[in-house]
Amino acid sequence: DAGVIQSPRHEVTEMGQEVTLRCKPISGHDYLFWYRQTMMRGLELLIYFNNNVPIDDSGMPEDRFSAKMPNASFSTLKIQPSEPRDSAVYFCASSPRTEPYGYTFGSGTRLTVV
Amino acid sequence: GENVEQHPSTLSVQEGDSAVIKCTYSDSASNYFPWYKQELGKRPQLIIDIRSNVGEKKDQRIAVTLNKTAKHFSLHITETQPEDSAVYFCAAPEGSARQLTFGSGTQLTVLP
Repeated sequence: DAGVIQSPRHEVTEMGQEVTLRCKPISGHDYLFWYRQTMMRGLELLIYFNNNVPIDDSGMPEDRFSAKMPNASFSTLKIQPSEPRDSAVYFCASSPRTEPYGYTFGSGTRLTVV
Repeated sequence: GENVEQHPSTLSVQEGDSAVIKCTYSDSASNYFPWYKQELGKRPQLIIDIRSNVGEKKDQRIAVTLNKTAKHFSLHITETQPEDSAVYFCAAPEGSARQLTFGSGTQLTVLP
């Protein structure tokens, strides 16, 4: 398995633009998580899905953020409009339904909003 | 929700010495405690985990201990090597839920 695949690896965008981050989880993993990492706030959970259904989105900062999982092999995180404070590394991770429960993280998307 | 505190934030050791990183958690129903290693510019990677029905687990030079009564768990790295230099994160779930709350991280530097 190629692991969790994220794209793009780097994204530089202007304030106000729409940004879409993509994730392909490991095949067979039922859980998918979106985390944001910054120096100030560390690793923060934004949202997670179980069998393509959003379970907890309480970490989504505000209405500018949205996430979808249309099928078991694809998820998107969208920011519209983007702001400089959204600059961070966004990680997608997946986890199986049965033990061991450990997450496998993707390589992350480094987002810079200028 | 779950609150995870991690100490120290930075740790420097001489090559060959041991390193210990400690975490506390707040939710007494939490049942799974993983540790992740993140090298500079890379993804966090799971290095070891422990379930709540086990007090200690070892894997070569790394070990994790859990004290459920005190709600704390620790990572022990023996015979440290320069390639152990990285940021280490502990994590705990909210009860038996699947989402993890991460500690703030420990920057470990192994000096040659």
